[in-house]
Amino acid sequence: DTAVSQTPKYLVTQMGNDKSIKCEQNLGHDTMYWYKQDSKKFLKIMFSYNNKELIINETVPNRFSPKSPDKAHLNLHINSLELGDSAVYFCASSQQRGQPQHFGDGTRLSIL
Amino acid sequence: QKEVEQDPGPLSVPEGAIVSLNCTYSNSAFQYFMWYRQYSRKGPELLMYTYSSGNKEDGRFTAQVDKSSKYISLFIRDSQPSDSATYLCAMIGTNTGFQKLVFGTGTRLLVSP
Repeated sequence: DTAVSQTPKYLVTQMGNDKSIKCEQNLGHDTMYWYKQDSKKFLKIMFSYNNKELIINETVPNRFSPKSPDKAHLNLHINSLELGDSAVYFCASSQQRGQPQHFGDGTRLSIL
Repeated sequence: QKEVEQDPGPLSVPEGAIVSLNCTYSNSAFQYFMWYRQYSRKGPELLMYTYSSGNKEDGRFTAQVDKSSKYISLFIRDSQPSDSATYLCAMIGTNTGFQKLVFGTGTRLLVSP
């Protein structure tokens, strides 16, 4: 039973397209996150939501828009995809802020 | 200067060796410290979560925190080939209201049979 699940696992698309990544957690956690892992494997936070409310927006271009329909789901929509958006995007959740975060297996986004 | 420094490796050891992985940090506001293990094409998996200075042991893993030196370590005893992965340190603190987890760049560990 997967705790934090992301779909799709792989996403290959053309520059300029719009795409969405979905994330669901069944841990009953209040806080969810999106991270970007670049080609050098460095993980950097993008967004944090607590009970559907945006807490952190880490200077991410406004082409990226997170949406949390309920506290178990946090989706990421990306408009006008650029080559530099190619990366692995990870969703995570924690019981509360400051608590250990549990990660999904990532969505590998490749822009052609 | 990065907030969290971690040697990227790779660190190659023979099976059965004791492995020492380390991170240094610059911000004294960090209060909680974590170690994650990441296998290829998988998400980071939490190994250890510590708060205070000192040692915390869990099976073959020991996490050590020295807040006065701003230095944390993860020791792996009796290392196994299945321990081959990237190990990420991460920390969180009062500077961001415990909202933002800051990661090191990760150390790649290779344990040969």
